[in-house]
Amino acid sequence: AQTVTQSQPEMSVQEAETVTLSCTYDTSESDYYLFWYKQPPSRQMILVIRQEAYKQQNATENRFSVNFQKAAKSFSLKISDSQLGDAAMYFCAYRSARGGSEKLVFGKGTKLTVNP
Amino acid sequence: GAGVSQTPSNKVTEKGKYVELRCDPISGHTALYWYRQSLGQGPEFLIYFQGTGAADDSGLPNDRFFAVRPEGSVSTLKIQRTERGDSAVYLCASSLMGQPQETQYFGPGTRLLVL
Repeated sequence: AQTVTQSQPEMSVQEAETVTLSCTYDTSESDYYLFWYKQPPSRQMILVIRQEAYKQQNATENRFSVNFQKAAKSFSLKISDSQLGDAAMYFCAYRSARGGSEKLVFGKGTKLTVNP
Repeated sequence: GAGVSQTPSNKVTEKGKYVELRCDPISGHTALYWYRQSLGQGPEFLIYFQGTGAADDSGLPNDRFFAVRPEGSVSTLKIQRTERGDSAVYLCASSLMGQPQETQYFGPGTRLLVL
């Protein structure tokens, strides 16, 4: 079974600075998808960024980018120019590309605080 | 609809009671997922529907939990003989066709408290 580990229960960053959230995962599969979701206090999970394992190029979405290291099974999220609205829980998630395994497997999350 | 909706937003019940949690997915989405998020944890998968059928129910913790999606749209998660350990936020998500690369869109969840 796949597992996702987020080793940082909490992180903080100053507004306008850059912060990196860590995620590692364990799988024997070669084809899969990785996601970062944001969960504000409203509880609604919002997709931040997605990475396909077969793509070597790291995904970017505006101020959000990932460092995907497939051999190391590492998938960190970098938030540049942090804003107050970035404060939330961040969850790393894994999804197999194999048919019949549609579920997301989540880590325990990292609580990000943004200081003004 | 504009997004995934879930009702009720909060539910308080007594140990041993029966509860139903409702999920209304994004219109046209054939895939629907239920997850459970305990305090301080990430969401854990419960069940996945493709259309009207449960394609994967491997995450249901025991036979007190059951879910239906009779018309391939709205889904109801049913919990019998609730226990205090069932207290959690129950999240519903939907995606267009259930393909691995698709985004799963989440609802705001139902917070269940079993006293």
